[in-house]
Amino acid sequence: ETGVTQSPTHLIKTRGQQVTLRCSSQSGHNTVSWYQQALGQGPQFIFQYYREEENGRGNFPPRFSGLQFPNYSSELNVNALELDDSALYLCASSSPGQGTYEQYFGPGTRLTVT
Amino acid sequence: AQSVTQLDSQVPVFEEAPVELRCNYSSSVSVYLFWYVQYPNQGLQLLLKYLSGSTLVKSINGFEAEFNKSQTSFHLRKPSVHISDTAEYFCAVRMKTSYDKVIFGPGTSLSVIP
Repeated sequence: ETGVTQSPTHLIKTRGQQVTLRCSSQSGHNTVSWYQQALGQGPQFIFQYYREEENGRGNFPPRFSGLQFPNYSSELNVNALELDDSALYLCASSSPGQGTYEQYFGPGTRLTVT
Repeated sequence: AQSVTQLDSQVPVFEEAPVELRCNYSSSVSVYLFWYVQYPNQGLQLLLKYLSGSTLVKSINGFEAEFNKSQTSFHLRKPSVHISDTAEYFCAVRMKTSYDKVIFGPGTSLSVIP
């Protein structure tokens, strides 16, 4: 069984640029959630995708967008990067139908905006 | 709206001593409760969860947590800590009526001193 994987591991971007982060969900999971974890803080929910549709969103501006593909992998896109976007971005997969309510997290992508 | 409070940002404890990490939550609806652990430069791992039934839940590595509905608390305890328990610990809640959105607390950094 393959766990949740994310790429790239680290990324450095300049303010105003755009970035795409990728996540492969755990085998059998059809739901992907994205979180932003600033240094020294707990993860903050960005949004969730279920069967290729966004079905929940946290308090993040529209420049944060995403996609989910038929194989349930997902992308997080951030436009017009700001310095405060520097954080660890975590992807988590789950399968609500299993009734375990567990989310399985990937190792994260560390984004630095300069 | 839901929120999670972890009053202790840092907890130093000597090896083999007991520890308690405190978690309180606020919610207008019923929630599921979780504790996650994050080792340096890694993603989050589920430590234990409370969904229903017995209010005392235990992990395979000696941690336990007790759900107290009247005090809206879900404190994490371990009778004897090891060096390997040094990590960041996050308490989290998920609404029973919502999609798979998880609200995390700010985290408690546990440092085990040899």
